[in-house]
Amino acid sequence: QKEVEQDPGPLSVPEGAIVSLNCTYSNSAFQYFMWYRQYSRKGPELLMYTYSSGNKEDGRFTAQVDKSSKYISLFIRDSQPSDSATYLCAMSARAGNNRKLIWGLGTSLAVNP
Amino acid sequence: DAGVTQSPTHLIKTRGQQVTLRCSPKSGHDTVSWYQQALGQGPQFIFQYYEEEERQRGNFPDRFSGHQFPNYSSELNVNALLLGDSALYLCASSLADSGITDTQYFGPGTRLTVL
Repeated sequence: QKEVEQDPGPLSVPEGAIVSLNCTYSNSAFQYFMWYRQYSRKGPELLMYTYSSGNKEDGRFTAQVDKSSKYISLFIRDSQPSDSATYLCAMSARAGNNRKLIWGLGTSLAVNP
Repeated sequence: DAGVTQSPTHLIKTRGQQVTLRCSPKSGHDTVSWYQQALGQGPQFIFQYYEEEERQRGNFPDRFSGHQFPNYSSELNVNALLLGDSALYLCASSLADSGITDTQYFGPGTRLTVL
C-alpha cells in the first residue's frame, strides 16, 4: 500500500463547477499537508499549506484535513479554464526545511469553457 | 526575481552515459532539493543539499550524486544511465530554518530521455 493515494483522474468539469480533489494516506505521523498545482511542462507550484486538522480558505480554494480519517481535500469554487492542470497532494511528518515530502500521483483536471 | 532556474530544458542520452543537470535557486534561498518525476507520477525525492552538504537522501542508488556550490546553486549527476531514468527532474529551493511555513519553490524541470 502506498503511503499516499490519489485518484489520477482525469477529471473533466464545466466552467463554474465546484471541484473536489482528494487524497488518503496511511501514515498517522503526517501533520503537514500541501496542495500543489502543476501545469503541463512546468514545475509544481504551492497552492495551499495546512497544519493538522481543519479548514483553510484562500480565495476560490479551500483545503480540508481530517486526520481521524486520514483524508485531505481541495475544493475549487467557480472553476475556470485556467484551473486546468494536475493537482498534487504532498505531506510530511515534520516541519522545517529538512523534511521529506511524500507525494500523491496527481489528479488531472480539465475545466471546459 | 528570476525564481528557480534549471538547465538544460531537455536532454537526450543513451544507456550507459552520464548526465549533469543544473539548478540555480530562488534569490535568498540556501537549500536545494532534487526530485524525479516519471510520467503520470508524483515527484520522488532524490536528495537535499544545504551548506554544500547532502543533508537527506531518498531511495535512489549511488549512481545519483549531487553537489552544491558556495553560491547555493546545485548539480545533479547521474552515471550509467538506464532507460528507467527517463523522467522530469525537478529542482526545488527553500530557505533553511524558515519555520513551520517553509515553502519549496520548484523550477520548470529538465526532461531527460534515455534511449
